[in-house]
This record gives sequence, structure tokens and C-alpha cells, in this order.
Amino acid sequence: DAGVIQSPRHEVTEMGQEVTLRCKPISGHNSLFWYRQTMMRGLELLIYFNNNVPIDDSGMPEDRFSAKMPNASFSTLKIQPSEPRDSAVYFCASSRTGGSNQPQHFGDGTRLSIL
Amino acid sequence: GIQVEQSPPDLILQEGANSTLRCNFSDSVNNLQWFHQNPWGQLINLFYIPSGTKQNGRLSATTVATERYSLLYISSSQTTDSGVYFCAVRLAGGFKTIFGAGTRLFVKA
Repeated sequence: DAGVIQSPRHEVTEMGQEVTLRCKPISGHNSLFWYRQTMMRGLELLIYFNNNVPIDDSGMPEDRFSAKMPNASFSTLKIQPSEPRDSAVYFCASSRTGGSNQPQHFGDGTRLSIL
Repeated sequence: GIQVEQSPPDLILQEGANSTLRCNFSDSVNNLQWFHQNPWGQLINLFYIPSGTKQNGRLSATTVATERYSLLYISSSQTTDSGVYFCAVRLAGGFKTIFGAGTRLFVKA
């Protein structure tokens, strides 16, 4: 079975540019999560969706960040405008719905560098 | 909010040695996972273990939910076990996942 698929794997862009990260969850999984990993703060949950609806976006750092899930098989995380401090590895994860007692499965991440 | 503490923060082992990694959490959870982040940055599921004991090859894990801790055992360590081991928990009824800071393991040949 295919796992969580993220694209691109690497992104290097100049500050001020718009960045769009993409995620395809595992088929049949109804919950989707976006995380950010940095050396200073470790792994942080940014936002999670259940049945394509954003449930909690309290982890989104500021208004420059937005996330959408237009259907069950696709989600985007957008940063506009990007800043050097946004440089990090961004992970997407998915799990089956059914409460919090479901394991999460992670994609390979997108390594983002903002110059 | 819930606190997740992992120990030790760093660990160096000789190949073949055994080790125990610990995860303490400050509140009741109904979801606990152990992950291995390999040197390429991939997060690999090891165990989903909100309670009880599970084994998978050289790895095993035990969670004592009533005492709010989980242990990950690595036996006969190999160089490929190197990386960072994370514990992640979720509160009952919620989706928010909290990760510990990780244990960085280096296994010497």
C-alpha cells in the first residue's frame, strides 16, 4: 500500500515568495495532520483536518500560513510571503478516523529552505 | 498542557548492546506511538502502544498508562538503529499530538 506522499521533497526559494507544499494521505484515512520540525522547537503540530474539515489550527504560527483540504485525497500547506525563519522540515501525516486512538503515519517530509 | 519527557537525551552504544529508552507524560493519554527518525529524516512507525506490551523483532515496548510512562527496549543494537527515537502522545478524546524531544542514539560498529 502507498504511504503518505508529500511533494516536493526539497524546496529552496527566496524570501517573499509563495511556497505550496502538497500531501496525499493514505487512502481510507480521514484525518490529516501537518507538522513542522526545527532544531529549536522539535516537532510541532500546525493543523489537523478530520473529514476534510480543519478541526484545530492553533498551531499555525501566523497568518502567512494557510492550509486546505479540498478533498479526501489532497491537502496543501501554503506560506505567503515566506521568510527565512520558515525554513524547516514539514511533515504530513494521516490516520483513520475513529477518535484519537488511531496511529498516525508520516510522509517523508518536505525540506524547505527560505533564503 | 501535557508534558512529554524523554530520557536519556543522548545515548551511545556499542553494537550488540541493549538499551532502554523512557517516555514520561504528565496526563492521561489514549494514544502513544514510538517513532524512529532515521539519518535521512524519515519518521518510521515503531509501535502504537497506548497500553500493554508489544514486540517486533529486536524491539519491544511497554506502556503503563496508569503510571504515565512508556519504555522502548532495543536489544542487540545495530548501527542501523542509529537516529532519533520519539515518543508521541494524544490526550483522550482529542487529536492534538505532542511529541517528546527525542532520544538521539548512536550505535558504534
